[in-house]
Amino acid sequence: DAKTTQPPSMDCAEGRAANLPCNHSTISGNEYVYWYRQIHSQGPQYIIHGLKNNETNEMASLIITEDRKSSTLILPHATLRDTAVYYCIVRVAGYGQNFVFGPGTRLSVLP
Amino acid sequence: DTAVSQTPKYLVTQMGNDKSIKCEQNLGHDTMYWYKQDSKKFLKIMFSYNNKELIINETVPNRFSPKSPDKAHLNLHINSLELGDSAVYFCASSLSEGAGTQYFGPGTRLLVL
Repeated sequence: DAKTTQPPSMDCAEGRAANLPCNHSTISGNEYVYWYRQIHSQGPQYIIHGLKNNETNEMASLIITEDRKSSTLILPHATLRDTAVYYCIVRVAGYGQNFVFGPGTRLSVLP
Repeated sequence: DTAVSQTPKYLVTQMGNDKSIKCEQNLGHDTMYWYKQDSKKFLKIMFSYNNKELIINETVPNRFSPKSPDKAHLNLHINSLELGDSAVYFCASSLSEGAGTQYFGPGTRLLVL
């Protein structure tokens, strides 16, 4: 079972920031937070990951709370092409560790 | 160049048939995976291979068998196809088994009639 809880759906206006929340209240100290997305009919795409510090790359920013029980993925200027299902996953790095995908959040970017 | 490729993209077949789906990665990765995404859109891992050794084998029917001729390829062979096997199958790869970033292929849409 997935160890994360995400809202099933969200809307965002094009050009605005999209803030996608994720709860992982049972996260362990050695578990990373990963975000992937799946655009309709395509394979999942890696976005970003972090352990406890905030992270930023060319796609998004990841904000992890100090207690690590929740995080927020931020797409700073959402475009129509960001419409997708976003998955938040916690995972220990190492041998034999699976990714467990939950239902994710369906983000709709509206014109 | 496509990093992770799968063939065929679509596969329609009759119950009871045997079919294979091929996957190739040109990333030089050591680990490859097969996932199944069913009609409810849940994505579940089926197998992973690291240096030609099966290291994760989730509770999938033994009609499904992964075959890896070399570390760039992981094919999925399915015997005696059933209606419930209809799904989208994704191949993925990662630099190593412990690496968290996986790169997914475009998927193979299997429909069993």
